[in-house]
Amino acid sequence: KAGVTQTPRYLIKTRGQQVTLSCSPISGHRSVSWYQQTPGQGLQFLFEYFSETQRNKGNFPGRFSGRQFSNSRSEMNVSTLELGDSALYLCASSRSSEETQYFGPGTRLLVL
Amino acid sequence: GDSVTQMEGPVTLSEEAFLTINCTYTATGYPSLFWYVQYPGEGLQLLLKATKADDKGSNKGFEATYRKETTSFHLEKGSVQVSDSAVYFCAPYNYGQNFVFGPGTRLSVLP
Repeated sequence: KAGVTQTPRYLIKTRGQQVTLSCSPISGHRSVSWYQQTPGQGLQFLFEYFSETQRNKGNFPGRFSGRQFSNSRSEMNVSTLELGDSALYLCASSRSSEETQYFGPGTRLLVL
Repeated sequence: GDSVTQMEGPVTLSEEAFLTINCTYTATGYPSLFWYVQYPGEGLQLLLKATKADDKGSNKGFEATYRKETTSFHLEKGSVQVSDSAVYFCAPYNYGQNFVFGPGTRLSVLP
């Protein structure tokens, strides 16, 4: 069974630009969560989508948004990028009734 | 809100040494408890989990026991290998909410 895939793996942007990251969950998984990982703040929860609806949201500004499609694939968007948005963005998927989250390899975003 | 305290390390051990990484948590309700591991350049992988008090999760020689009375979930391994070098994250989880990860503990195992 294929794992969680994320594209792109690496991205370089400049301040003020926007970026869209993509996540394809494991087949059959309907829940997708996004996390930001930085050396200073560690792993922080961004949001979770389940059946195309945002179910939970972390404490991030409105520049961070996401969506989920009917095939459970998810995208997250960051607008008006800031230097502090440089991070590893991790996506995780799980079955609707299972707790265990399975993580993708992440997208490493560098904002210059 | 929920929170996790774990030793941040780095923890440096020689091969075949005994490992303990402490984890204590505060959480509402009755969470399940997880340990995830992150190898260099990769995402997180589930290492083990426990869903109720006194349960012991185990995998790849690692073990952790759900201690509800002390709200702890310490990770142990009797004999570490160089390949165990990674960052280890403790996380409580209440269904329908989000994972709350600890700061991670970096482990370096020297040959």
